[in-house]
Amino acid sequence: GAGVSQTPSNKVTEKGKYVELRCDPISGHTALYWYRQSLGQGPEFLIYFQGTGAADDSGLPNDRFFAVRPEGSVSTLKIQRTERGDSAVYLCASSYYSGGSTDTQYFGPGTRLTVL
Amino acid sequence: AQSVTQLGSHVSVSEGALVLLRCNYSSSVPPYLFWYVQYPNQGLQLLLKYTSAATLVKGINGFEAEFKKSETSFHLTKPSAHMSDAAEYFCAVRPGTYKYIFGTGTRLKVLA
Repeated sequence: GAGVSQTPSNKVTEKGKYVELRCDPISGHTALYWYRQSLGQGPEFLIYFQGTGAADDSGLPNDRFFAVRPEGSVSTLKIQRTERGDSAVYLCASSYYSGGSTDTQYFGPGTRLTVL
Repeated sequence: AQSVTQLGSHVSVSEGALVLLRCNYSSSVPPYLFWYVQYPNQGLQLLLKYTSAATLVKGINGFEAEFKKSETSFHLTKPSAHMSDAAEYFCAVRPGTYKYIFGTGTRLKVLA
């Protein structure tokens, strides 16, 4: 079946602008995660949704970052007043159920955000 | 705090040679451990995972990893490298129920 999809694949914006990044999880997956991967680094956790609610948003770097998942499927990561330091690849992952020993996160191809 | 250390940001091997990518973790509780591979412009793909069922874990594409609690290690190996194995490899630990903590990655280069 279809995997996790993310749009756009690339986004170039100017400092101070607002951006939205979209994630379509695998059908039937209740858990959804956002990670950020800076150049030369591994992915870093941002936020985790179980259903419609954000169960853990402790990884969001500041209040310019916000994410929603209103119907428990598609999620949007929103970044206000973008800064050059926000440039990174934003990864989305989904899993069927969070917490079980067999639970595995499946990752999308990511959105590469460049802030000029 | 839980963490993952991958020794060697770049590893080069000859085609047909043994692949060994190192991963050490720190976790205050028995962890779940994962290896992911990332090809250029693609998402992370799960290679294998350790969930305490067996210490030697076999994954896709001929890779395997051994969990050694005494050494807090989860090194990834493959007996014979293929050109198609060239990619970046990430070790990750899931100390709790959902949050993955990734290492900084090892870029594998396979020489003809």
